[in-house]
Amino acid sequence: KAGVTQTPRYLIKTRGQQVTLSCSPISGHRSVSWYQQTPGQGLQFLFEYFSETQRNKGNFPGRFSGRQFSNSRSEMNVSTLELGDSALYLCASSLVPSTDTQYFGPGTRLTVL
Amino acid sequence: GQNIDQPTEMTATEGAIVQINCTYQTSGFNGLFWYQQHAGEAPTFLSYNVLDGLEEKGRFSSFLSRSKGYSYLLLKELQMKDSASYLCAVRSHSGGYQKVTFGTGTKLQVIP
Repeated sequence: KAGVTQTPRYLIKTRGQQVTLSCSPISGHRSVSWYQQTPGQGLQFLFEYFSETQRNKGNFPGRFSGRQFSNSRSEMNVSTLELGDSALYLCASSLVPSTDTQYFGPGTRLTVL
Repeated sequence: GQNIDQPTEMTATEGAIVQINCTYQTSGFNGLFWYQQHAGEAPTFLSYNVLDGLEEKGRFSSFLSRSKGYSYLLLKELQMKDSASYLCAVRSHSGGYQKVTFGTGTKLQVIP
């Protein structure tokens, strides 16, 4: 069974631009969570989706948004990029929301210049 | 809110035993996870505790005391490849939803 895949793996953007990251969960997994990881803050929860609905949301500004499609694939979007948005963005999938072990994808390394 | 504390860094010798502690404060506690993360890689699941006691899985064991808000990960017979960050994560429920909150991680360095 294929693992969680994330695209792109690396991304360089400039301030003010927007970016869309994609995550394909493990086949059969219907829950997708997004995290931001930075050296100083560790893993910070962004949001979680299940059955195309946002189930939970962390403490991030509205510039961060996401969605989930009927095939459980998920995207997250960051608008008006800031230097501080440079981070590793990890996606994790599980069978159902937060009631099972999460399996992480390799992440997307975003650099904002 | 939630608060999860772990030591920032630890160093241990190859072949030895090391214990990584995690303390937490949360309402609606519903389980504690340990993940291993090698530099530049995604976290991988190590263990899960929801009841008090020790869970053993090969060289790795994890302990939980819910009354004390305390957990530890025990690594035996350390190998060089165990050099990684170890993340403690707490699952909690509130308002009908569940979420997982991660600590900042403990960077373990195994030396010869």
